[in-house]
Amino acid sequence: DTGVSQDPRHKITKRGQNVTFRCDPISEHNRLYWYRQTLGQGPEFLTYFQNEAQLEKSRLLSDRFSAERPKGSFSTLEIQRTEQGDSAMYLCASSPNLGLSNEKLFFGSGTQLSVL
Amino acid sequence: AQKVTQAQTEISVVEKEDVTLDCVYETRDTTYYLFWYKQPPSGELVFLIRRNSFDEQNEISGRYSWNFQKSTSSFNFTITASQVVDSAVYFCALTPNYGGSQGNLIFGKGTKLSVKP
Repeated sequence: DTGVSQDPRHKITKRGQNVTFRCDPISEHNRLYWYRQTLGQGPEFLTYFQNEAQLEKSRLLSDRFSAERPKGSFSTLEIQRTEQGDSAMYLCASSPNLGLSNEKLFFGSGTQLSVL
Repeated sequence: AQKVTQAQTEISVVEKEDVTLDCVYETRDTTYYLFWYKQPPSGELVFLIRRNSFDEQNEISGRYSWNFQKSTSSFNFTITASQVVDSAVYFCALTPNYGGSQGNLIFGKGTKLSVKP
């Protein structure tokens, strides 16, 4: 049984560089979410896909952030021109579409980004 | 505005003690969902419970129980006879029930529970 997989687990980058994270959801889950978590805080919603359609974006998602899910399977989150404030754990989650709203989310272990 | 408050930042108990984690929420929606998630040191959030606003029945699952009180906007979580493996950060979360926000969970800041042997 494979859960939500995120790659890489850790990323260290210099300010101004671009970074890209990948998320592989649970197979056949058509909903995929990105969250960001900083130390001592709860996760904050960034964006949500249903299949390949990006249906919702948080105000937290500045123009430097872009997320894609081109074939409705894996997703990528890119941050351009990274800033020190982008340092955080980036969490991906998926859920099946059972015709219910607000189903439980299955989270990955996250990508820890450190911007120097 | 919607908000979840977990006033207890850290709790430390000795194994076999009972412990209650508090959660108070704010919302103007009449229909909403409440969740609890556990985040062990490995970092992966694990779903514990989902409750809709129309269901005020308390729930028990093994050593875990949840007390939902709409009158006080609280959704508290109790672990009975705590064990070392319960050590984790526990998050309470809220989400509205309107169609656009299927996954926009609003999390509290979490309560770090340490269970000592």
